[in-house]
Amino acid sequence: EAAVTQSPRNKVTVTGGNVTLSCRQTNSHNYMYWYRQDTGHGLRLIHYSYGAGNLQIGDVPDGYKATRTTQEDFFLLLELASPSQTSLYFCASSDTGAGERLFFGHGTKLSVL
Amino acid sequence: SQWGEENLQALSIQEGEDVTMNCSYKTYTTVVHWYRQDSGRGPALIILIRSNEREKRSGRLRATLDTSSQSSSLSITAAQCEDTAVYFCATDGGNNNAPRFGAGTKLTVKP
Repeated sequence: EAAVTQSPRNKVTVTGGNVTLSCRQTNSHNYMYWYRQDTGHGLRLIHYSYGAGNLQIGDVPDGYKATRTTQEDFFLLLELASPSQTSLYFCASSDTGAGERLFFGHGTKLSVL
Repeated sequence: SQWGEENLQALSIQEGEDVTMNCSYKTYTTVVHWYRQDSGRGPALIILIRSNEREKRSGRLRATLDTSSQSSSLSITAAQCEDTAVYFCATDGGNNNAPRFGAGTKLTVKP
C-alpha cells in the first residue's frame, strides 16, 4: 500500500505568518498533488508536480507556492498566511498521472487566526 | 466545478437500502475516479472506471460511465452503516492532467 505522510497534522498561525506544509511519499510515484478541502467545495487543486524540480499551477494557486525538491518530497508554502487559507490540506501521489489511482495523506489542518 | 460535480450534496438512507450517487462533468475525461472519505481521513479510491468501460463492479459497488452524456454514477447495494462516508468523483480532463474533484456527496446510512 502506497504511503503518503504529511506533516504537521495540525498547525495554527497568525495572519501574515509563514507556513510550510510537508509531504513525503515512499512509493517512487512521479506525480504529487496539493489539494485544499473546504465545506461545500470538495477538494480543490492548488499545485502539482510531475517530478523533482517540476511545478504545475492548479486551480486555486493564489497565495501558495510549492516546491518539489526530490521525487519523494513536495512542499506547500504560505508566505503571508491569511484567514481565507484556513482549511484542510491534502497531499496525494500517483504513479503515472491523472489516469491512475491517487494515494492521499491524512491531511494537515491549518488555522490562520 | 469546472471538472466534476455531483448532483446531490447529502443523502440519508436506512440500512439495507440501495443508493445511487451521480456525477456529471463538463470536460472530456479518459477516466472517472470514485473515492470515499471517512471522517478524519484522506480520500481512498473505491472504483476507477475508464472511458472504454460502461460499467464496473466491486463487491456491493457498481460504477457506470456514459461518455455521451458525460456522467457517471456510483451505486451501493444493500447499504450498511459502515458505508457512511463522503463520496467524491474525479475526472482527468482527458489529457492526463491532474484529477479534479466534485463537491462530494455525504452519505449517511442509519441502522
